[in-house]
Amino acid sequence: AQTVTQSQPEMSVQEAETVTLSCTYDTSESDYYLFWYKQPPSRQMILVIRQEAYKQQNATENRFSVNFQKAAKSFSLKISDSQLGDAAMYFCAYRRGQGGSEKLVFGKGTKLTVNP
Amino acid sequence: EAGVAQSPRYKIIEKRQSVAFWCNPISGHATLYWYQQILGQGPKLLIQFQNNGVVDDSQLPKDRFSAERLKGVDSTLKIQPAKLEDSAVYLCASSLRVGVNSPLHFGNGTRLTVT
Repeated sequence: AQTVTQSQPEMSVQEAETVTLSCTYDTSESDYYLFWYKQPPSRQMILVIRQEAYKQQNATENRFSVNFQKAAKSFSLKISDSQLGDAAMYFCAYRRGQGGSEKLVFGKGTKLTVNP
Repeated sequence: EAGVAQSPRYKIIEKRQSVAFWCNPISGHATLYWYQQILGQGPKLLIQFQNNGVVDDSQLPKDRFSAERLKGVDSTLKIQPAKLEDSAVYLCASSLRVGVNSPLHFGNGTRLTVT
């Protein structure tokens, strides 16, 4: 079974600084997708960024980028120029590739605090 | 477009009582998911519907949990009887169709407390 591990229960960063959230995963499959979701106090899960395992290039979305190390099964999220609105729980998630289960497997999350 | 609507927002019940949650997905979305998020953990898939058919309910505790999606639109998730360990946030999500290229849209969830 696939597992996702987030080893940092909490992280903090100063506004305008950069922070990196860690995620590792375990799978025997070669075709899969990885995601980072943000969950603010409203509880709604919001997709931040996604990475296809077959792509070597790291995904970027504005201030958010990932460091995808397939051999090491590592998928970290970097937030640049942190803003107060970035404060939330961040979840790393795994999904099998096309034709596989639709199920997202989530890690336990990292609580990010942004200090003014 | 309107988002995924869930109700109620909060629910407190005693153990052994019954409870039901309601979800209205984004209009036109064929796929609907129910996730359970226990405090301190990430969400776990309970059931996935494609229109009004069940695609995956392998992690649904079928002795006490049931779900339906009549007419392939709204969905209800029921727990009967509830246990203390069912205390969690229940998240509903929908997507336009199956497949990883159809992103999930989540609702704000229902927080259930079982005392």
